[in-house]
Amino acid sequence: KAGVTQTPRYLIKTRGQQVTLSCSPISGHRSVSWYQQTPGQGLQFLFEYFSETQRNKGNFPGRFSGRQFSNSRSEMNVSTLELGDSALYLCASSFGSGSDGYTFGSGTRLTVV
Amino acid sequence: GESVGLHLPTLSVQEGDNSIINCAYSNSASDYFIWYKQESGKGPQFIIDIRSNMDKRQGQRVTVLLNKTVKHLSLQIAATQPGDSAVYFCAETPYSGGGADGLTFGKGTHLIIQP
Repeated sequence: KAGVTQTPRYLIKTRGQQVTLSCSPISGHRSVSWYQQTPGQGLQFLFEYFSETQRNKGNFPGRFSGRQFSNSRSEMNVSTLELGDSALYLCASSFGSGSDGYTFGSGTRLTVV
Repeated sequence: GESVGLHLPTLSVQEGDNSIINCAYSNSASDYFIWYKQESGKGPQFIIDIRSNMDKRQGQRVTVLLNKTVKHLSLQIAATQPGDSAVYFCAETPYSGGGADGLTFGKGTHLIIQP
């Protein structure tokens, strides 16, 4: 079966711009969660969506937002980009019960210049 | 805040030897644990998981041990192969959150396989 698909794979943006990243979960998975990975901070939880509702959010500023569509596909948006937002953004999908494993996509590498 | 951590940033082992990667966690509410493997340029790949009602679980060449008393998790890889070279992360989440809480990751151990 198809895995978690993230697009685009690579992105270069300028400070102050905004960006939208996309994630298509495994078919049948209703939960999508997003993570930021940097060399300094490691993997950090951004937010989680289930059935189009954000159930939880990590400790990130309001510039980071997301949404989930009725087909479970999710997007995350970062507004007013800062150099420190350069990172690998990963999404993971699961059925949503909390103990059924989380499958990650390959991520979107965002570089802010 | 509470976090999941790994003891060693780098672990070097000989090909064919067994590897043991350790992880300490501090959140007492943690009841579901996962080990991931991440190769360069890829997302984390699920290796094995364990729930808090178990203390050991085995997969193919991998074993996860959970000691809730001291909040310690370990991953054992038998007969390490070159393809095992990667960064290994432990992650945890409270099952009671129904998946809403996301995963808390440790900082990762880079496993290096020497010929």
